[in-house]
Amino acid sequence: AQKVTQAQTEISVVEKEDVTLDCVYETRDTTYYLFWYKQPPSGELVFLIRRNSFDEQNEISGRYSWNFQKSTSSFNFTITASQVVDSAVYFCALGRIQGAQKLVFGQGTRLTINP
Amino acid sequence: EPEVTQTPSHQVTQMGQEVILRCVPISNHLYFYWYRQILGQKVEFLVSFYNNEISEKSEIFDDQFSVERPDGSNFTLKIRSTKLEDSAMYFCASSTRDRGNSGNTIYFGEGSWLTVV
Repeated sequence: AQKVTQAQTEISVVEKEDVTLDCVYETRDTTYYLFWYKQPPSGELVFLIRRNSFDEQNEISGRYSWNFQKSTSSFNFTITASQVVDSAVYFCALGRIQGAQKLVFGQGTRLTINP
Repeated sequence: EPEVTQTPSHQVTQMGQEVILRCVPISNHLYFYWYRQILGQKVEFLVSFYNNEISEKSEIFDDQFSVERPDGSNFTLKIRSTKLEDSAMYFCASSTRDRGNSGNTIYFGEGSWLTVV
């Protein structure tokens, strides 16, 4: 069975601090996608990143960076110099490479950035 | 940037009533989905739809639920006789078949809040 675990239910930091959101997954598939989505207070789900299981290069996009380690089945997300606008619930998800997508989501981490 | 649009944004309905949630997926996408999120919980897969038929459905998607693509642009979720536990945010989503950069990435709509009273 596939499973995604986000052990941190809530994180609260002061603006400009760096923060890392953890994601651990379980799957028997040899190839898969990993995703991060952001859910701001308005409720929509915003796609942030997709990572292919055979590409373990870390990725940086502005203040966001992602660390994928297949050996530990982890796909962690770091926000550098956090801002109040980063406050949201962040979901990690596991999905397929091909065919109809069926995402398995983690429970989400509620991130609060305090001014 | 193309986006998935959903209507209504919020609907309140009485238990036992039928509800139809509507969605316009991204125009060149071929896979369509419904997910739901009960308040404070994680997002759960309901159903996927491809080539005018259901390709996969979850245990949640029982006989009370149905999906339809009535024309070339709309994709609907119908709940035949709503129950209190159907209260949730329902997300429509779509994805392409391409193997390129966006292939098999799901893009979600803004969601439709359903409250069953």
